Amino acid sequence: DAGITQSPRHKVTETGTPVTLRCHQTENHRYMYWYRQDPGHGLRLIHYSYGVKDTDKGEVSDGYSVSRSKTEDFLLTLESATSSQTSVYFCAISPTGIGETQYFGPGTRLLVL
Amino acid sequence: SQQGEEDPQALSIQEGENATMNCSYKTSINNLQWYRQNSGRGLVHLILIRSNEREKHSGRLRVTLDTSKKSSSLLITASRAADTASYFCATAQGGSEKLVFGKGMKLTVNP
Repeated sequence: DAGITQSPRHKVTETGTPVTLRCHQTENHRYMYWYRQDPGHGLRLIHYSYGVKDTDKGEVSDGYSVSRSKTEDFLLTLESATSSQTSVYFCAISPTGIGETQYFGPGTRLLVL
Repeated sequence: SQQGEEDPQALSIQEGENATMNCSYKTSINNLQWYRQNSGRGLVHLILIRSNEREKHSGRLRVTLDTSKKSSSLLITASRAADTASYFCATAQGGSEKLVFGKGMKLTVNP
């Protein structure tokens, strides 16, 4: 796992509570991505960042926000968690965008009750 | 929305046999990539093939790309039990900073 950590690795929370997931990289890569993985859907992009304070929406961004105040950290926030956000969340990084190779973190398993 | 679609969705073979997985996609691409995911782990990049390439090798992996048919295949030769994993194709569309992943296929290599 190319210098990428995610925290927490597992979380159980209740509907309506805010949740923040953290992705930290030591590779100094410019691009960072948040995906969710669900059975039958594969990986779907939530948000991505192309630099500090520069972010954009992905395919399934509703209910999620992101922030990137430092190159190494990319935060994903569920403002008010819902059961449909129960999923495995993966962070990925890449040195360049334009669809180049991505390196994935170990994932965070989130259960919303 | 999914761009790539892997086929078959599941494949079970014996150790030592070759495994072939296919990926079809719908729109023009800059490159196509294959990733592996072991159970409970993150995805690992295997190989990238660009739209102007037809074939690429990396160790026991061979990838082909046919842009006229909008399809790619991943061949794993002399498979091992450690190759048991889910495999995903991902496509990069023109000018996009994003990859679009398929739903994945599960390979089981029996010892």
